[in-house]
Parts: sequence; structure tokens; C-alpha cells
Amino acid sequence: AQTIHQWPVAEIKAVGSPLSLGCTIKGKSSPNLYWYWQATGGTLQQLFYSITVGQVESVVQLNLSASRPKDDQFILSTEKLLLSHSGFYLCAWSLGVNTGQLYFGEGSKLTVL
Amino acid sequence: GQQVKQSSPSLTVQEGGISILNCDYENDMFDYFAWYKKYPDNSPTLLISVRSNVDKREDGRLTVFLNKSGKHFSLHITASQPEDTAVYLCALLATGGNNKLTFGQGTVLSVIP
Repeated sequence: AQTIHQWPVAEIKAVGSPLSLGCTIKGKSSPNLYWYWQATGGTLQQLFYSITVGQVESVVQLNLSASRPKDDQFILSTEKLLLSHSGFYLCAWSLGVNTGQLYFGEGSKLTVL
Repeated sequence: GQQVKQSSPSLTVQEGGISILNCDYENDMFDYFAWYKKYPDNSPTLLISVRSNVDKREDGRLTVFLNKSGKHFSLHITASQPEDTAVYLCALLATGGNNKLTFGQGTVLSVIP
């Protein structure tokens, strides 16, 4: 069975500090991976997607970056956090690129002060 | 403007009644329509979905209706139960890859005994 794990569960960070959120998928070879984000009171929106190792496409420009260093790992990061980065970050995987069915991780709650 | 709108932020239904959740959209390019269910402190999970060539689909107590001319998508839950209490998110996908689901803001359904 496939499992998806995100870390950390929650972070409180200062404006201007760096950030790294991680996501690992087990039990699925070469998954399509995604980062979604929901600002407090906002809607879920896709930030990045990756079809294969080393390839990441940006969907929304939010001064964040993503990398896929391994087949089962997806990292979201920034060198300098903004207040507007606060929210809930969800990693997800899918079996194809146009299936519509996403399997989400537990999420990481980020508070920027 | 918002491409996908769930006009009711909340809905309260008596146990045993029918819950009707609505979603309106603007983009003619959407061809996959889904409802995701989210419990507090959990991530969204896919509940039911249809492609644009289907205008109705039933699955147990769940029925989805797609009105393409009216750009309206709805979920009906019959014999509503307290365990149906959750946030319901409509999620739409346009053909073109990267599984960029466009989510609505969500409707909080409360089923009271």
C-alpha cells in the first residue's frame, strides 16, 4: 500500500527566515508529485508539480521553490519567508497527469510571524 | 474572479435528510468534476467524480449531477448521517496535464441528530 508522509507537521517561523518542508511517498514507483497550498480562509491551489526526478514545474509564483532529489521525495523551500507564506501546505501524488484523483499527505501548517 | 464557487460556506441538515452541496464554475475547459471530503485536521480525500460526458452518477447514498450548460455541479447525499459532517470541496480539472485541480472554497456540512 502507498503511504505519503509530510514533515514537519507544524512550524512557526520568523519573517525572513528559511523554510524547508518535506514529503516522502512509499510504495509507488515514479509517482507524479504535487505541492498544494491553502492560505487561512483561502482555497487550495497548486504550487508545483513533478513528473520525474529532477524535474519540477512551477504553477504559481509565490517566492517558493521545489525540488525532487529522489523518486520518492519532494521538497518545498524558500530562503526568505514572507508573512503571506502562512497557511497549510499539502503534498500529493497521483497515478497519472490527468486523472484528477490526488492522494494527499497529512499537511504541514506554517505560521510566519 | 474565482473560477470555481461554492456559494454556501455552511449547510446544516437533520439526520436522515438530504444534503445538497452546490458548485458553480466559469471555465468551459473543465472536463473532470470531483467532490473531495475533508475532516478537521485531516487532508482531503476523493469522494466521487465524473467526466464531462456524464451528467449523473450514483454511488450508494451519493449522487452527483453535472449541468454543463448551466456550469453547475452538485452533490446530493441522501439519508444524511452525523458522520457525513465534514468540509466538502468541489474540485475541477481542465485537460492539459499536471492535475491542476481548481478547488472551491468548501462547504461545511453539519448533520445534526
